[in-house]
Amino acid sequence: DQQVKQNSPSLSVQEGRISILNCDYTNSMFDYFLWYKKYPAEGPTFLISISSIKDKNEDGRFTVFLNKSAKHLSLHIVPSQPGDSAVYFCAASLDTGGTSYGKLTFGQGTILTVHP
Amino acid sequence: NAGVMQNPRHLVRRRGQEARLRCSPMKGHSHVYWYRQLPEEGLKFMVYLQKENIIDESGMPKERFSAEFPKEGPSILRIQQVVRGDSAAYFCASSPRQGHEQYFGPGTRLTVT
Repeated sequence: DQQVKQNSPSLSVQEGRISILNCDYTNSMFDYFLWYKKYPAEGPTFLISISSIKDKNEDGRFTVFLNKSAKHLSLHIVPSQPGDSAVYFCAASLDTGGTSYGKLTFGQGTILTVHP
Repeated sequence: NAGVMQNPRHLVRRRGQEARLRCSPMKGHSHVYWYRQLPEEGLKFMVYLQKENIIDESGMPKERFSAEFPKEGPSILRIQQVVRGDSAAYFCASSPRQGHEQYFGPGTRLTVT
């Protein structure tokens, strides 16, 4: 059961344009969401996160939007740069206060390619 | 402040051997998580530990796999009697407190021949 889904395996964008990566989830108990970037042969690097009490969080070129009613979040990168080319994973965690708190459930990833 | 360290980066084992993967969390981080990434898939949670305690091992296979995070020293993920299906990248992450962002190490790529 894939609770976090990234339905686009890949995305190609021109340098300077906006990149929009999407993520859907099924478990309404998820209350904290994160985006990670991953280069080949490296570990994921934390980019940005958002709590379910917010609908937007911005950090420099990166903005995450959360639509709780649609169980959907997106990552916007503006402007896109060739160095942004990587695999992007969205992840979610539960706020049960119990043993699952902090455990991340990841999507399958989206390969972003930014062309010069 | 050094990041999360994992060693070895690459590990080759024959079927039936044991694999030991080590993870040193970031300084000041007492929460450690292990994830596994199979080829062409996302990361899957395995186990969550705090010093000397296993908090959540719901993602860990019931047999052959074990994890520890002793009072002193790194966290260890141990796989006994490895099989080809254990070939994967194993990532460790740490955080300063429960529910906070997790910071990942570079991973250990295990190949079982």
